[in-house]
Amino acid sequence: EPEVTQTPSHQVTQMGQEVILRCVPISNHLYFYWYRQILGQKVEFLVSFYNNEISEKSEIFDDQFSVERPDGSNFTLKIRSTKLEDSAMYFCASSPTSGANEQFFGPGTRLTVL
Amino acid sequence: SQQGEEDPQALSIQEGENATMNCSYKTSINNLQWYRQNSGRGLVHLILIRSNEREKHSGRLRVTLDTSKKSSSLLITASRAADTASYFCATGSSNTGKLIFGQGTTLQVKP
Repeated sequence: EPEVTQTPSHQVTQMGQEVILRCVPISNHLYFYWYRQILGQKVEFLVSFYNNEISEKSEIFDDQFSVERPDGSNFTLKIRSTKLEDSAMYFCASSPTSGANEQFFGPGTRLTVL
Repeated sequence: SQQGEEDPQALSIQEGENATMNCSYKTSINNLQWYRQNSGRGLVHLILIRSNEREKHSGRLRVTLDTSKKSSSLLITASRAADTASYFCATGSSNTGKLIFGQGTTLQVKP
């Protein structure tokens, strides 16, 4: 069964460093998302992406964040200058059709900022 | 105010019993979804109910939606130890697919 994959599973970085989190959505899906979950808190929406552009972003997704679909398979989240409060689990998700349908989530990348 | 608040926050039952989790939300929605998360793992989609539906079943799961009360419930019948996980409701309001998650209910099913 096709699934969303994410790499790495765990990323440790120093404050101020740039990180790139990678996702491979399910191949025939058209809509892509990033969410994050700070330990013990709810899952929070970051950004949705369709047709090679951001379709919606949250207040969390400031100019330190960017997303890219560099080729036909990868979908990346870049944090330019990480802060301690960026430490969280980051989930990628994809959906085959419009946003009004179920999303398929990857296993997540645990980001630890020291 | 929070969109998607579940109660109870934690629920502990014996195997074979039914588990009911509730979710309330504040804004109008297109759909409401329930997801499950095992400890430290990703989210698994369980069931989606659209705003024009009142009840939906999938195996041992039953979901209801009351848009007048802005609430939903998830019932897991004949629970199993393997159902132990956190359960989240998530509301979809826009065509962009943005989901707003609740805090979740942690379910423990004792064998």
